Amino acid sequence: GAGVSQSPSNKVTEKGKDVELRCDPISGHTALYWYRQSLGQGLEFLIYFQGNSAPDKSGLPSDRFSAERTGGSVSTLTIQRTQQEDSAVYLCASRLGGVQETQYFGPGTRLLVL
Amino acid sequence: AQSVTQLGSHVSVSEGALVLLRCNYSSSVPPYLFWYVQYPNQGLQLLLKYTSAATLVKGINGFEAEFKKSETSFHLTKPSAHMSDAAEYFCAVSGPFSGGYNKLIFGAGTRLAVHP
Repeated sequence: GAGVSQSPSNKVTEKGKDVELRCDPISGHTALYWYRQSLGQGLEFLIYFQGNSAPDKSGLPSDRFSAERTGGSVSTLTIQRTQQEDSAVYLCASRLGGVQETQYFGPGTRLLVL
Repeated sequence: AQSVTQLGSHVSVSEGALVLLRCNYSSSVPPYLFWYVQYPNQGLQLLLKYTSAATLVKGINGFEAEFKKSETSFHLTKPSAHMSDAAEYFCAVSGPFSGGYNKLIFGAGTRLAVHP
C-alpha cells in the first residue's frame, strides 16, 4: 500500500518568509510525528499527534513553528519568518497502533533558507 | 535523562566482512530500542526493534541485534556485508524518561561504507 508522502520534496525560500510543509500519513494510522534532521543537531523530535488528543509540542524549537492535523489525517507544519538555521530535512512519520508499533517515515522535505 | 550513543560516525568494511554498529543507551529503565537505516535522499526504514520480548532480535536484510541490559547496549550486526548495505544507520530509544514511549530519541548515526 501507499506509504507516508510529503510535499514538497524540496523547498527553497528567503529568510523571513513563511513556509508550509505537508504530510499525508498512511491511511488509518492514528499517530503522526514530525522530526527535523540537520547536520548540526541530528534527528530531533518536533511534535506528535495522537487521535483527538492534544498534540505533544514539546520538541518545537520556537514559537515560529506550529503544526496542525486536520480530520485526523493530513498534517501541515508551518514555519513563520524562516531563519537560515531552519534549513534541514523535515521528516514525517505515522504509526498505526500502540507505542510498540513501528513508525513509518516519509521521504522528507528538504528546506533551504537563503 | 535518557539518551543514546552510537560509537563511530563512520564505519568501513569489506564486502563479505562482519558488520558491527554500536549503540549504547543510558536509562535506568530498559527502553524500547530501534535500528533504522537511511539510504541517500530517502526516509528512514525500520530494520528491527526491541520492545521487551526476546533479547536477540532479527530484522530485515540479514541484520540482527542483541539487547544486553548489563551493558546497556543494542549493537547491530550482520555476518556478511553487501555493497547494498552502504547507508546511514540510526539507533533510537523510547521510554519513560524521554517524555514517554511515544517519542523516539535518535543517536547521531553511523555511516557504513562497504568496499569491494
